Amino acid sequence: KNQVEQSPQSLIILEGKNCTLQCNYTVSPFSNLRWYKQDTGRGPVSLTIMTFSENTKSNGRYTATLDADTKQSSLHITASQLSDSASYICVVVTGANNLFFGTGTRLTVIP
Amino acid sequence: NAGVTQTPKFQVLKTGQSMTLQCAQDMNHEYMSWYRQDPGMGLRLIHYSVGAGITDQGEVPNGYNVSRSTTEDFPLRLLSAAPSQTSVYFCASSYSKSGRGNEKLFFGSGTQLSVL
Repeated sequence: KNQVEQSPQSLIILEGKNCTLQCNYTVSPFSNLRWYKQDTGRGPVSLTIMTFSENTKSNGRYTATLDADTKQSSLHITASQLSDSASYICVVVTGANNLFFGTGTRLTVIP
Repeated sequence: NAGVTQTPKFQVLKTGQSMTLQCAQDMNHEYMSWYRQDPGMGLRLIHYSVGAGITDQGEVPNGYNVSRSTTEDFPLRLLSAAPSQTSVYFCASSYSKSGRGNEKLFFGSGTQLSVL
């Protein structure tokens, strides 16, 4: 069964600290993996898109990694800011262009 | 650019009522889609379109209807609202006509619908 699991469900960190969010998937055949940021009351916004051959991709303070062999991805946030408070959603896309969404990690950055 | 615009932002319906959620994009995207987001679940695809005049069902199409008469607009119709349709609805679009592929998907800001 195609599934995307994210951990932790929620996370609270102090402003300025780093954090890492995890995404494990069983989706097959794999095409690409995406990370989205969703602010409260807003739609998801794309952070990164990684294909099979890419194992790291950065977008400012956000760095995503992909291990296609173990079917794991992580999103690392460096020097967190209050504006990083949001839900982060992992999405895996199959070769047939079907999208499978994780349930997200809710990150809260406190001063 | 406005991107993807959804209206209304909030809506309350009574069971059995019908309504249309509006979605418009100004990026000349061929692909448009509707998702619903429920607590504890990932976004689920309702319907999608790969171009004007072409629509298809997603994972959870029952109770919803769509049409695509122009490239810009992709309305979602609830035929007879049920409490199970209480959810947040997102419209999304991307450039690729061939499907989602590697193209970035742009989301609207959502419509929060409550069915009493």
